[in-house]
Amino acid sequence: NAGVTQTPKFQVLKTGQSMTLQCAQDMNHNSMYWYRQDPGMGLRLIYYSASEGTTDKGEVPNGYNVSRLNKREFSLRLESAAPSQTSVYFCASSELPSGEGSYNEQFFGPGTRLTVL
Amino acid sequence: AQSVAQPEDQVNVAEGNPLTVKCTYSVSGNPYLFWYVQYPNRGLQFLLKYITGDNLVKGSYGFEAEFNKSQTSFHLKKPSALVSDSALYFCAVRYTGGFKTIFGAGTRLFVKA
Repeated sequence: NAGVTQTPKFQVLKTGQSMTLQCAQDMNHNSMYWYRQDPGMGLRLIYYSASEGTTDKGEVPNGYNVSRLNKREFSLRLESAAPSQTSVYFCASSELPSGEGSYNEQFFGPGTRLTVL
Repeated sequence: AQSVAQPEDQVNVAEGNPLTVKCTYSVSGNPYLFWYVQYPNRGLQFLLKYITGDNLVKGSYGFEAEFNKSQTSFHLKKPSALVSDSALYFCAVRYTGGFKTIFGAGTRLFVKA
């Protein structure tokens, strides 16, 4: 099993350009997430998808859109990149049991390092 | 509102000595607590979690953590540090009935040979 895979690993964009970050998981997980990691700020949730067909905003959704293409794939799109979006982006997945909340750990991809000039 | 605090940006310890990485949390309801580790240029890896029951939780690579409800803490510990434990450690919390996970800012652990 590859776990969670992300493409590309690195990307440099100019301000105003668009791009899509791809994420796929082969663990048959229901839930998927996109985070950004900035120095001293930990991980901040951008968007999540509790299950196939649903997406919801996280803590920092402005400037991003997502698509849950199917159960395996969850993409993140920057329509008009800004220097403030320079960051490392992580995709993650987890099981979501029925009932209250989820205590299952998340599995993370290797990350995409994005620089916006 | 949920929050997680890791009060130390960096922890330095000599190899063979015990280590502690601190975490406190604030959440309404019962918390689910997690520790993750991140090695350079890698994604986060799960170490251990507290859901309910025994306050001392054992995890991967010899790490353990103690849940203290009265102090709202979930400190990560290891009896004898290894140089290979040097990494960035994140504490995280999710509350019962909630969905989002809140991560702390991270603590960088340096283990000196």
